[in-house]
Amino acid sequence: NAGVTQTPKFQVLKTGQSMTLQCAQDMNHNSMYWYRQDPGMGLRLIYYSASEGTTDKGEVPNGYNVSRLNKREFSLRLESAAPSQTSVYFCASSEAGARQYFGPGTRLTVL
Amino acid sequence: GQSLEQPSEVTAVEGAIVQINCTYQTSGFYGLSWYQQHDGGAPTFLSYNALDGLEETGRFSSFLSRSDSYGYLLLQELQMKDSASYFCAVRRGGSQGNLIFGKGTKLSVKP
Repeated sequence: NAGVTQTPKFQVLKTGQSMTLQCAQDMNHNSMYWYRQDPGMGLRLIYYSASEGTTDKGEVPNGYNVSRLNKREFSLRLESAAPSQTSVYFCASSEAGARQYFGPGTRLTVL
Repeated sequence: GQSLEQPSEVTAVEGAIVQINCTYQTSGFYGLSWYQQHDGGAPTFLSYNALDGLEETGRFSSFLSRSDSYGYLLLQELQMKDSASYFCAVRRGGSQGNLIFGKGTKLSVKP
């Protein structure tokens, strides 16, 4: 039982490059989330998926797209990376409650 | 708008008791959660208060007053391993259980 897994753990991109962050959970949760965490800013919600087949914008969705591939997987795509997207990205899942389970994070640097 | 306020840093000694306060201003309030995050790690769930009053889980307790839009996390018998950042988060409700996080309180426990 791995919980929430994320790949890659680290990534360096050049401005304008694209990439997809992968997230998977094995807890059969309906809801999944993508957050970014910047120093002194706490966690900010980018996108979420309340159930398979649905996605909605969070607080800071600009520059990102998501896909809920199936119940287990929720990916985050940066189409044209910018230095302002340098951050730590966390994926989380929950069963429609206040308790969210977080993955280990992806540390992204955009040069 | 929505906002959560918590102190940025708190320092305490081993064995002591520390209280981390959180005040919030948000629409659609369902409850208040607390998460712990060690440096370089992922946030982990500590507690959730949907109703007024005190919830106790081992050395940690959490309190909520909905009328005052206020809550706190109480850590007793502090240990060195409690040195971490602590985030309060408002659950805004709905089936997706979206959370809005505060900016976090960095707790340093000294010997």
